[in-house]
Amino acid sequence: SQKIEQNSEALNIQEGKTATLTCNYTNYSPAYLQWYRQDPGRGPVFLLLIRENEKEKRKERLKVTFDTTLKQSLFHITASQPADSATYLCALWGGNNRKLIWGLGTSLAVNP
Amino acid sequence: DVKVTQSSRYLVKRTGEKVFLECVQDMDHENMFWYRQDPGLGLRLIYFSYDVKMKEKGDIPEGYSVSREKKERFSLILESASTNQTSMYLCASSPWGSSGVYGYTFGSGTRLTVV
Repeated sequence: SQKIEQNSEALNIQEGKTATLTCNYTNYSPAYLQWYRQDPGRGPVFLLLIRENEKEKRKERLKVTFDTTLKQSLFHITASQPADSATYLCALWGGNNRKLIWGLGTSLAVNP
Repeated sequence: DVKVTQSSRYLVKRTGEKVFLECVQDMDHENMFWYRQDPGLGLRLIYFSYDVKMKEKGDIPEGYSVSREKKERFSLILESASTNQTSMYLCASSPWGSSGVYGYTFGSGTRLTVV
């Protein structure tokens, strides 16, 4: 069955460092991969989308890579700030069923 | 600023009650979705709709129904609430076409407790 795995353990980093989150998938060939941020008790907020033929995408301090050979996406936040503390979700889409498949998310804590 | 609005942030209902969760979007999006989110289980799709009066079952439709009479409104109905339907319910929308091309816009969620 299709499966998405994100780091299950929370990631703690120091302010100013680069945070790197991982999204691995199996039994799937996604056309698009999306990353969302979710704060406690709130709905997810869309951050970035990357296509299967794109290797890298940037938006301000965010960078996403997509390696279809490794079946992996990396999400980087450079110069991290305490305000970046949240759960980050990856989601894949690659079929005709109009549905995203979601990872469980990774919790990021940026310490001052 | 584009928005998806869910009618209630918190709701407490009794077992057996019929519960209506309302969702309205102002972006003229064709696709609308209802998810529930539980710790350790992530986001699970209940139902979605890609047009007025159209609906499709998601991964966990049992015990739920939906209604989409107008493009901007998508309602989730719990026919007879049960304690295992206690959860965070999230509504989302996206433009027509390949939903993977566009990010979803989510509402703030409704925390439903069934007692």
